[in-house]
Parts: sequence; C-alpha cells; structure tokens
Amino acid sequence: AQSVSQHNHHVILSEAASLELGCNYSYGGTVNLFWYVQYPGQHLQLLLKYFSGDPLVKGIKGFEAEFIKSKFSFNLRKPSVQWSDTAEYFCAAITGGGNKLTFGTGTQLKVEL
Amino acid sequence: DTAVSQTPKYLVTQMGNDKSIKCEQNLGHDTMYWYKQDSKKFLKIMFSYNNKELIINETVPNRFSPKSPDKAHLNLHINSLELGDSAVYFCASSFGLAGGVASSYEQYFGPGTRLTVT
Repeated sequence: AQSVSQHNHHVILSEAASLELGCNYSYGGTVNLFWYVQYPGQHLQLLLKYFSGDPLVKGIKGFEAEFIKSKFSFNLRKPSVQWSDTAEYFCAAITGGGNKLTFGTGTQLKVEL
Repeated sequence: DTAVSQTPKYLVTQMGNDKSIKCEQNLGHDTMYWYKQDSKKFLKIMFSYNNKELIINETVPNRFSPKSPDKAHLNLHINSLELGDSAVYFCASSFGLAGGVASSYEQYFGPGTRLTVT
C-alpha cells in the first residue's frame, strides 16, 4: 500500500533561518505529490504540487520542493522563514492515477522571533 | 464566494446521538471527499464520491454514512456517536478522473467541522 512519511514531527526555527522538511513516499509508479499547509485554526491550503516535468516546483509564499525520483522524496524548502510560516505542513501523494490522497503525519513548524 | 463550505463549524454532542455535517462546493467539481483529522493532526480519507457515486470507502464504521444528493453536495451522517469520533472532519473536492488532466487531482478543502463527543 502506498504511504507517505514525514520524519520531522516538530521543527523550531528562528526567523530568517532556512527550512527543509522531509517527505518520502513508497510507490514505484506514477505519483503526484503535494504540500499542504494548515495555519492554526484554519483549513488546508495547497502550497505546491508536482505532476510531471521540472522536478523543482515553486509554490506560493516563497516555498519550493524538489522531486527526486531515485530517493522517493519530495522535500519542502524555503530559504528564509518568517514568523507567519508557523503552521502544520503536510506532504501528500496520489499514486497510480487514482484520486485517493494519502497524507503524511504532518510537521509542526514553529518560527520564533 | 467560498469554494468549499461546511456546516456546522463546531459540533458538540453527547455519546449515542446522531448528527450530520453538510458540505457544499461551488467549484464545479465532480468529486468530493470526507477526511478525518485526529487529535494528532493525522489526516485520513474516509469517503469519496464521483458524480454522486461512491468510489472510495475506507475502513470506516458503518455508523458513518455519506450522502450525495448532487455533485455539489456531500453530507456525512454519523449514528450512535462515540467518544472516539471526536475529531475535525474536512470536506474536499476536485475534478475526477474522467478529464484525465493532471491539474484535476488538486483537492480543495473546506474549513473543517470540529466534532466533540462528550
């Protein structure tokens, strides 16, 4: 069965620090990958997505992610975080051309001033 | 002009009661979903409907019954509520598989319904 894993459960950074959140998936075929963000008390919003083409995907709010097929990874990055980036971040995948979205367990990011 | 809306936003009820959560989307999508987010923030799909037809039914107790009167609505009815049903329930929608277009897989989420069973 497909699965998505996020190894960093809690991350604390100072403002202006660089961010990288890990995401790995287990599926050998076609995969569509997503990063969603959930700000405190709010619903999930799509940060970025990968379907095909350029493995470096740029999303909203300065986030980007790189799809590395050989490593089954889709890590999220931001060169300089802000206090307003404090949120829960979810990696998700759709595999095999279906529409079942499988989420990772999430990473709680806290950015300190 | 809310894309995916849910009602109610908060629901507090006692064990054993029956309750419903409603979801509506105005994006013209043909596929809708229910997800459950537990206390540890883990999100798991429960159901998916495409054009009013059930296409995903995860191992969810049969106390949970989704109903889709039309492709813009997907309601969730829960019978005999239990303490373990306390969670945030998110509705989502997307275009389904028929279009075959890559962007059709992006799912848009509603604001969530926080259900507390006491």
